[in-house]
Amino acid sequence: DSGVTQTPKHLITATGQRVTLRCSPRSGDLSVYWYQQSLDQGLQFLIHYYNGEERAKGNILERFSAQQFPDLHSELNLSSLELGDSALYFCASSSGQVHTEAFFGQGTRLTVV
Amino acid sequence: AQSVSQHNHHVILSEAASLELGCNYSYGGTVNLFWYVQYPGQHLQLLLKYFSGDPLVKGIKGFEAEFIKSKFSFNLRKPSVQWSDTAEYFCAVNLRDSGNTPLVFGKGTRLSVIA
Repeated sequence: DSGVTQTPKHLITATGQRVTLRCSPRSGDLSVYWYQQSLDQGLQFLIHYYNGEERAKGNILERFSAQQFPDLHSELNLSSLELGDSALYFCASSSGQVHTEAFFGQGTRLTVV
Repeated sequence: AQSVSQHNHHVILSEAASLELGCNYSYGGTVNLFWYVQYPGQHLQLLLKYFSGDPLVKGIKGFEAEFIKSKFSFNLRKPSVQWSDTAEYFCAVNLRDSGNTPLVFGKGTRLSVIA
């Protein structure tokens, strides 16, 4: 158990819908990262939050957004869903210090039908 | 652009064979290097990491990796693989000087160990 909790584990939804994925980082970690894992693209970095502030954006679509709340949990919002958004979405957390590694949650498997 | 390359997409080995998975990175600064493993249906787990110091790094489950700065490489090795090592292996890099920068991953190498 990495200490990073993601809910839900599985999500099946229709095209055009909106979903919210939730991540609770390890206790004390200030940084939260979101990644998308698909067969063709591999692990793609989406967005990074540190202590409530957005720090970096990767290959995140405009239909996707995220936020980190004062209690440090984070939510990834995916809207106007398309079939191609079906993937495994991972959240990772780290302390935010220079020499640290990221710990990953179990992921949310999103299936868009 | 920053990138991480893993040369092997799928490696099939017999039990007790030796393993070496290649990883090369393209980065303009000082880096931290990682190998993560993803067992079927599970999340990514850290195998080993390199921040500084001895370029030969030992990780969990008998894995090790060597950082060769001149070659921009961080290859993963294991002298004798077991069936339980069947998994996908990811090399990842981030910039050390910028603090907690996001990890950039290679596309992964699937390892299948057969009896």
